[in-house]
Amino acid sequence: DAGVIQSPRHEVTEMGQEVTLRCKPISGHNSLFWYRQTMMRGLELLIYFNNNVPIDDSGMPEDRFSAKMPNASFSTLKIQPSEPRDSAVYFCASRGQGMNTEAFFGQGTRLTVV
Amino acid sequence: DQQVKQNSPSLSVQEGRISILNCDYTNSMFDYFLWYKKYPAEGPTFLISISSIKDKNEDGRFTVFLNKSAKHLSLHIVPSQPGDSAVYFCAASGFGNEKLTFGTGTRLTIIP
Repeated sequence: DAGVIQSPRHEVTEMGQEVTLRCKPISGHNSLFWYRQTMMRGLELLIYFNNNVPIDDSGMPEDRFSAKMPNASFSTLKIQPSEPRDSAVYFCASRGQGMNTEAFFGQGTRLTVV
Repeated sequence: DQQVKQNSPSLSVQEGRISILNCDYTNSMFDYFLWYKKYPAEGPTFLISISSIKDKNEDGRFTVFLNKSAKHLSLHIVPSQPGDSAVYFCAASGFGNEKLTFGTGTRLTIIP
């Protein structure tokens, strides 16, 4: 397996524009996580899905953020409209079923909103 | 509310010596703990884990210790090598809960 795949690797956009980040989890993994890396909060959990269903979205900062998982092999994180303070690295991770398993991360998407 | 805390943002250690990274947690429902390593421009990679039924787990140069009464875990790296320079995150999850909560990270620098 190629691991967790995120696209794009880098995104530069103007304030007010819509941004969509994409993630393909590892095949067979049933949990998918979206994290944002910041200096203040480290790896901040935004939302996670289990079996394609959103379980906890309490970390989503504002209504401008939304996430979907239409099937087991694809998820998106959308920001609309984007703001400069959204600039960060966004990671997607997936985790297999069962107790005591680790999560595998993608390479991340570095988002810059100017 | 930061349920997993890494109070040292950075740590410098001489090559060959022991590196000790610390992590505290507040949620008593956490029962599985992990350490991840992160290089710049890469995603975090899993390093080592420990279940709450143990107090120590060892893998080569890496050992994780868990003190449940103090809600504290630590990662020991010995001997430290230049390639160990990275940001280390601790993480925790609860029984039957897929959610994985991370700390703020500690940047480890190994001095040659």
